[in-house]
Amino acid sequence: AQSVSQHNHHVILSEAASLELGCNYSYGGTVNLFWYVQYPGQHLQLLLKYFSGDPLVKGIKGFEAEFIKSKFSFNLRKPSVQWSDTAEYFCAVNLFSGGYNKLIFGAGTRLAVHP
Amino acid sequence: GAVVSQHPSWVICKSGTSVKIECRSLDFQATTMFWYRQFPKQSLMLMATSNEGSKATYEQGVEKDKFLINHASLTLSTLTVTSAHPEDSSFYICSASRSGPPNEQYFGPGTRLTVT
Repeated sequence: AQSVSQHNHHVILSEAASLELGCNYSYGGTVNLFWYVQYPGQHLQLLLKYFSGDPLVKGIKGFEAEFIKSKFSFNLRKPSVQWSDTAEYFCAVNLFSGGYNKLIFGAGTRLAVHP
Repeated sequence: GAVVSQHPSWVICKSGTSVKIECRSLDFQATTMFWYRQFPKQSLMLMATSNEGSKATYEQGVEKDKFLINHASLTLSTLTVTSAHPEDSSFYICSASRSGPPNEQYFGPGTRLTVT
C-alpha cells in the first residue's frame, strides 16, 4: 500500500540551528509532493510543493526541499531556524489512484525551537 | 486566490444528535472536495472524496451512513455526522481542488467537533 514516512516524530533545536526533516514515500508512479505546516492552534498551511522540473524547490519562510526520485525522498530543510518555526510539519504525497487524486499524509514531525 | 472556508469553526453537540459542517471554496470552482479527520497530535486521515454531482467515495473503514457527504455545487460540500457519539469528537478538515492538473488541494481552517 502507498505510504508516507516521516522519520522524526519530535525534533528539538536551538535557534539558528539547521533543520532537516526526512520524508520518504512508497509509490512507483507519478507523484506530486508537498510540505505543510501547522502552527499551534492554526490550520494547515502550504510550505512548498513539487510537481515537476527542478527537484530543489524553495518555499515560504526560507524553507526548501529536494526531491530525489531514486530514493523516493522529499526532505525539508532550513539553514537557520527561528523560534517562530515551532510547529508541526507534514509531508504529503498526491497519488493518482482509482480514477481520482488522493493526498496521503505522513505522521507529522513536531518541531520545537528554543530561543 | 484559492480560499476555502469552513463553518462552523467549532461545535459542541449532544450524543445522538446530528451536526452539519460546511466547506466552501470562496474564489474558485471546486470540482473535487476532500474531507479529513485529525485526532489530537496525529496526522490527517482522508475520510472521503466527493466530486460535484456524484456520490462520495469513502475510504476503507469510514461509515458512509454515519458521515454523510453532499457536494451539491462547485463551491459547497457538506459533511453531516449523524447520531454523533463522543468518539466522533475530532478536528474535521476539508480541502478543495480545481479540475485538471496540477491537482493541488487548498485546505480549510477546520472544524472542531466535541460530542458530549
